[in-house]
Amino acid sequence: SQKIEQNSEALNIQEGKTATLTCNYTNYSPAYLQWYRQDPGRGPVFLLLIRENEKEKRKERLKVTFDTTLKQSLFHITASQPADSATYLCALDARRNTPLVFGKGTRLSVIA
Amino acid sequence: ETGVTQSPTHLIKTRGQQVTLRCSSQSGHNTVSWYQQALGQGPQFIFQYYREEENGRGNFPPRFSGLQFPNYSSELNVNALELDDSALYLCASSFPGTSNYGYTFGSGTRLTVV
Repeated sequence: SQKIEQNSEALNIQEGKTATLTCNYTNYSPAYLQWYRQDPGRGPVFLLLIRENEKEKRKERLKVTFDTTLKQSLFHITASQPADSATYLCALDARRNTPLVFGKGTRLSVIA
Repeated sequence: ETGVTQSPTHLIKTRGQQVTLRCSSQSGHNTVSWYQQALGQGPQFIFQYYREEENGRGNFPPRFSGLQFPNYSSELNVNALELDDSALYLCASSFPGTSNYGYTFGSGTRLTVV
């Protein structure tokens, strides 16, 4: 069966360190993989998208990698800040006009 | 540009009742997707509408139905509410071919069924 697994429910990290979140999938062939941030009681906010033929994407302190052989994406936040504390969701997009499928998310806490 | 607006923000209903949730999509977006998010879980896909036609449906029973209007706003209707329907209902809009920008989500409607 198809699965998306974000392998940590919660991750605590010291301010200033790099946070690394993992997203693994099975039985999918995603065209795109997306990462979202969700704060309590709010809708997810789009952060980054990476295509199947891209290895890495960066945006300010954020970096995403995509390994279609390992079926894994890594999401990095460098120089983490308490304001980065939130739940981070990965989502797969198989093709245009097919729905995004989400993982359960990882709750990140950055401790000052 | 406006974002996605959902109404109401909170709702309490009794088991067996019916509910209608509303969503105004972001300007220029012609695709609307609805998700159900239980506490501590990721969003689960309910269905998607593209230019007023249903364009995909997740594993939800027929008592979950929807509509998309010519202005691309949308409704989610749930009949015969059950306690397990208590969740955050999220609406997201998008425009095919601009996947660089992902989905734009509303803040959701928190539905409590008692």
